[in-house]
Amino acid sequence: DVKVTQSSRYLVKRTGEKVFLECVQDMDHENMFWYRQDPGLGLRLIYFSYDVKMKEKGDIPEGYSVSREKKERFSLILESASTNQTSMYLCASRRREGVYNEQFFGPGTRLTVL
Amino acid sequence: KQEVTQIPAALSVPEGENLVLNCSFTDSAIYNLQWFRQDPGKGLTSLLLIQSSQREQTSGRLNASLDKSSGRSTLYIAASQPGDSATYLCAVKNARTGGGNKLTFGTGTQLKVEL
Repeated sequence: DVKVTQSSRYLVKRTGEKVFLECVQDMDHENMFWYRQDPGLGLRLIYFSYDVKMKEKGDIPEGYSVSREKKERFSLILESASTNQTSMYLCASRRREGVYNEQFFGPGTRLTVL
Repeated sequence: KQEVTQIPAALSVPEGENLVLNCSFTDSAIYNLQWFRQDPGKGLTSLLLIQSSQREQTSGRLNASLDKSSGRSTLYIAASQPGDSATYLCAVKNARTGGGNKLTFGTGTQLKVEL
């Protein structure tokens, strides 16, 4: 059974802290993604990675960075957390390009920045 | 730029009813369309994926259709149950150069099935 896991379900941090969100997939997928989801705005892509050490900006990369040192792990980093980064963060993975390739999501991390 | 719309935003039906959720997209150049389910406070669960060359896909009580030329997809849920209550999202994988790996998501239909 396919599985994407995220390190925390709930996280509370203070403004200015450095925050790490971890995502691990066990499907040997090449592509991995980080989204944030906010009421009324839907899912927005922050960053994605199509291979180890490769990354590409999504629609809203400002204030975030990512790291992909191993194929199964994709980390999202908030260098200096701000209150407007309070959100639900969703990680996803997908096989390398092909027409029939489903995208699978993790359970999400609800981040609150105080 | 691809835009995906889901109407209605919310829907409430009695248990046992058959229902249809709608998804429309502006650019028909897509590789595939995927339907997801999201329970409150949780991640997305993939339900069905339809390739651009397919007309429909079925899984249990779910049937998804795709009319690429008109930019529409429907998700049909037969004999709805309270456990079907969730938000349903559709997403298209864009085929045009520059679409990259991105999916474009709709904003979802929040379904409530009442006893």
